[in-house]
Amino acid sequence: NAGVTQTPKFRILKIGQSMTLQCTQDMNHNYMYWYRQDPGMGLKLIYYSVGAGITDKGEVPNGYNVSRSTTEDFPLRLELAAPSQTSVYFCASLGTGGNQPQHFGDGTRLSIL
Amino acid sequence: DQQVKQNSPSLSVQEGRISILNCDYTNSMFDYFLWYKKYPAEGPTFLISISSIKDKNEDGRFTVFLNKSAKHLSLHIVPSQPGDSAVYFCAASGIGTGGSEKLVFGKGTKLTVNP
Repeated sequence: NAGVTQTPKFRILKIGQSMTLQCTQDMNHNYMYWYRQDPGMGLKLIYYSVGAGITDKGEVPNGYNVSRSTTEDFPLRLELAAPSQTSVYFCASLGTGGNQPQHFGDGTRLSIL
Repeated sequence: DQQVKQNSPSLSVQEGRISILNCDYTNSMFDYFLWYKKYPAEGPTFLISISSIKDKNEDGRFTVFLNKSAKHLSLHIVPSQPGDSAVYFCAASGIGTGGSEKLVFGKGTKLTVNP
């Protein structure tokens, strides 16, 4: 049981480039989330999804887009990379049932130069 | 404005002693609280949680205490072990986060357990 898998683990982008961070989970969880963590800070929610075809903005959505075409996958898209998007990105998933913990992937470390 | 605050960026304790990590929150609509542990280059790992209907939850060496009137929770680790050295995040969930089981995180406390 792999849980939540994120790819790539590391990436360096140039300003203005675009890329997609991949996230897949094999637990059949309905809820999925994208967070970013900046140095010395907690995790901040970028986007989330409560099921296939449904997405919504979190606290810091600007500069990002998401889609949820299947239960398993929740990719995060950066269209025009900016230095302010240098961060570690974590994907998480959650099953339904109330008062359950979110399960996290190991993160993608992204540097934009 | 931070809704979940961990005011101690770091904590150092001796192996075998108690570690106490603190967390304060401002939103009285939070009803579920979690502690995550994070090692470098890994994702956060769930450690222990507590519902607002309880004031204590215990799991082995880890105990979480919740004081709703003070909007304060703490994580006790007894006895502390060198393998407990990590960053610990406090998180909260509930109607106060706008639903959909979203979490609000504190900034984390880096715990170092010295042999």
